[in-house]
Formats: sequence, structure tokens, C-alpha cells
Amino acid sequence: ETGVTQTPRHLVMGMTNKKSLKCEQHLGHNAMYWYKQSAKKPLELMFVYNFKEQTENNSVPSRFSPECPNSSHLFLHLHTLQPEDSALYLCASSPERGSQETQYFGPGTRLLVL
Amino acid sequence: AQSVTQPDIHITVSEGASLELRCNYSYGATPYLFWYVQSPGQGLQLLLKYFSGDTLVQGIKGFEAEFKRSQSSFNLRKPSVHWSDAAEYFCAVGRSGGYQKVTFGTGTKLQVIP
Repeated sequence: ETGVTQTPRHLVMGMTNKKSLKCEQHLGHNAMYWYKQSAKKPLELMFVYNFKEQTENNSVPSRFSPECPNSSHLFLHLHTLQPEDSALYLCASSPERGSQETQYFGPGTRLLVL
Repeated sequence: AQSVTQPDIHITVSEGASLELRCNYSYGATPYLFWYVQSPGQGLQLLLKYFSGDTLVQGIKGFEAEFKRSQSSFNLRKPSVHWSDAAEYFCAVGRSGGYQKVTFGTGTKLQVIP
């Protein structure tokens, strides 16, 4: 148990659906991250939030829309996804935003787009 | 930009045998280096990290890693593997000086046989 929870753990959606992934951290951290994990590929950083402000968007398609209402919660809103978006989506948090910081990961949401 | 290579996609070792997982990075200055482990159905958990100082770093679960600047390597070792060590291991590198994102390798999947 890392102190970072993600819901749902599994999600199947059609290409026309709208769904949201939720992440919550109980560690008092100020930075939160969304990653995409696909088989045989490195973890892809999608978004970074620091003190609720988005500080990084790594050229993520607009069909992924993040939201960070406070430092403890992070959402990823999904809309008109493609089958190639099927992957494990990991949320992480760290005390501060910095490349020396240890990141604490949630268990992920396994997404399947049909 | 920095990069990290884990040349071994899959490794099988016998329980009780020693283990070494390879990691090579590309970055001009002194990097921040990390090893994370991901057990099935879990997020990533930090095993150890190197920022500066002693090049031999001790981590959790009996793991250690050695930073070798001349070889641009940060290999992970364990003298005696336990069946519970079966997991996927990720090396990551971050750039020193200000905020820079951490880059992860593609991972090495470890199988432990009796």
C-alpha cells in the first residue's frame, strides 16, 4: 500500500464513451502525475501537476483531459478514445515536483478500448 | 535529453542464485538514478536511488546498485534471489539541476524458478 489509490482498477469502454479515471493520494504530496504504460514500451509521462497547476503536457491528444481540483485528487477524463489507447494508466505523486523526487505510484487502471 | 536502456527484456534465475539487472543511461552530467519494482497488479515502488556520494547504494529488500560513471551504468544486484522477487524492474534517470522529467526504461521482467 503506497498511499496512492486509483479507481476503477479495470475499465472497458467503447470509442464513443466518456469515462473518468480517479486518483487520490493520502501522503500530503504537492505534485501528481499521469503515466501511460504499454507493453514493451517505456513509461510515458502524460501530465504533471504541481500545487494543482498543470506544469507539463507531453503532447497528449486532446481526447485525454486531466483535472486536479486539489493536491490530493487527480482525474483523467477520457472521450472518444482509440483502440491504441488501451493500456495501464498509472497515477503517481511526489512531495515536490523535481527529478530527484521519489514518486509513489498507484496500482493503475487497466483500460481496454473496443 | 536523457535516455535509459535496459538491454534484458526477460531474465530467469533460480531461487537462491545471485541476480544482476543491467541499466545504461545517456546523460552528460551526473544523473539522478532510480530503480523501481512493479509486482503483478501493482504500481511501481522505489527500490533505491542515487544522487551523489558513495557509488554503491543500498536499497530495500536486500537490493543494491552501483553507479559506474565510466560505463554509464547503474546495475541492480541481489546476492540471493527469493521467489517473491519475481516482478518487473525499471531503471529511471533524471537530470540534475532544476526540474526535469524522469525517463524510465522499458523494464526487465524477472522470473524466479525453484
